[in-house]
Amino acid sequence: DVKVTQSSRYLVKRTGEKVFLECVQDMDHENMFWYRQDPGLGLRLIYFSYDVKMKEKGDIPEGYSVSREKKERFSLILESASTNQTSMYLCASSTAGAYGYTFGSGTRLTVV
Amino acid sequence: QKEVEQNSGPLSVPEGAIASLNCTYSDRVSQSFFWYRQYSGKSPELIMSIYSNGDKEDGRFTAQLNKASQYVSLLIRDSQPSDSATYLCAVRWGTNAGKSTFGDGTTLTVKP
Repeated sequence: DVKVTQSSRYLVKRTGEKVFLECVQDMDHENMFWYRQDPGLGLRLIYFSYDVKMKEKGDIPEGYSVSREKKERFSLILESASTNQTSMYLCASSTAGAYGYTFGSGTRLTVV
Repeated sequence: QKEVEQNSGPLSVPEGAIASLNCTYSDRVSQSFFWYRQYSGKSPELIMSIYSNGDKEDGRFTAQLNKASQYVSLLIRDSQPSDSATYLCAVRWGTNAGKSTFGDGTTLTVKP
C-alpha cells in the first residue's frame, strides 16, 4: 500500500522555536506538497516541490521554508514558530502530471 | 471570488438517498478535477478523478464535469451512514507540478 508518512501526529512547541515537520513518501513521486488546514479557511498551499532541490512558493509561504534533499523526503521548517501557525499540517505527494494527491495523516501543531 | 467554490452545506440526506455535491471553479488553465473525502480528524482521501467533460462512474460514486459551465459535481447513490464526511472539491491547474486549489468542503450527513 502506498504511503505518505508524517513524522509526528501531534506536536506542541513554544513561540520562537524552530520547528521541523518531516514527510516521507515511498511511491517514487516527483511532486510533494505542504498544506495547512484551518477551520473556515480550508486547505491552503504553503510550498511545493516538483523535483529534488526544487521548490516553489504556494499561497501562504511567509514564516515557512522547505527542504528537499532526497526525492522521498520533503521537510517543512517554521523558522520561528508563532501562535498563528497553530494548525493541522498536511503533506501530500503525486506523480508527475495532473493527478490526484496522496495525503499523509497530518501533524497537528500547537504553538504556545 | 474564490477560485473553487462548493455548496456551503451542511447537507443531510436519509440512508439510501442520492447525495449531490456541487463545485464551481474560476476560468483558468485547469486540467484535472478531483473529489476527496475527509472523515472527521482524518486526512483527505482521493475518491474520484475526472479529466474530460461528461460522467465518470465508480461504484456508487459518479463525477460529472462540464467545462463550459466551469462546474463539477459528485453524486453518491444509495447513500450510507459511512459516507458521512466532508467532501472536498479540488482543481489542479496546468500539468506536471501544477498545484491544486481546494474548495472549503461540504459536510454530508447520512441519517439511518
